Amino acid sequence: KNQVEQSPQSLIILEGKNCTLQCNYTVSPFSNLRWYKQDTGRGPVSLTIMTFSENTKSNGRYTATLDADTKQSSLHITASQLSDSASYICVVSVSGAGSYQLTFGKGTKLSVIP
Amino acid sequence: DGGITQSPKYLFRKEGQNVTLSCEQNLNHDAMYWYRQDPGQGLRLIYYSQIVNDFQKGDIAEGYSVSREKKESFPLTVTSAQKNPTAFYLCASTPIPQRERNEQFFGPGTRLTVL
Repeated sequence: KNQVEQSPQSLIILEGKNCTLQCNYTVSPFSNLRWYKQDTGRGPVSLTIMTFSENTKSNGRYTATLDADTKQSSLHITASQLSDSASYICVVSVSGAGSYQLTFGKGTKLSVIP
Repeated sequence: DGGITQSPKYLFRKEGQNVTLSCEQNLNHDAMYWYRQDPGQGLRLIYYSQIVNDFQKGDIAEGYSVSREKKESFPLTVTSAQKNPTAFYLCASTPIPQRERNEQFFGPGTRLTVL
């Protein structure tokens, strides 16, 4: 069964600090991995997307890494801001199935406090 | 403005009533999707459509129905047969269904509460 596990479930950090969120997956055959940011009560917004051959991708203060051998990904947030408070969702796509075969993690809820 | 709109933002329903959630996109995307999000759970696919007048069941289609009469619109009806409809509903779209790197663009969501 395709699964995506995220850790931690929730995280509280001080403004200005860095943090790393983890994603482990058992999806096969793997196509790509995406990180989304979801503000409370809003729709998710894409941060990064990585295919099998990519092991790092940056989007401003967000840097995602992918290790396809160990089936792990991380999202690193640098110099956190209050606006980073949100849920971060890891999504893995199954190869060859088109964009509708996505497996979603449950998300990590990040709270950045002053 | 280009994007996906969902309406209403909040919806209250009495038990036994059908309700329809609206989803419209002006991105000229081919594929559209409906997801359900419950607290502490990942998004689950209800229905998807890759072309007008065609749609497929997702993982949790029971108690839901959809139509795709226009490329821009993909309404979702939550019927009285859905046992636990209280949830946050998200509509999404992608430009070309068969490309692996397609990003799914999400709407702002509709929160449905059954009283």
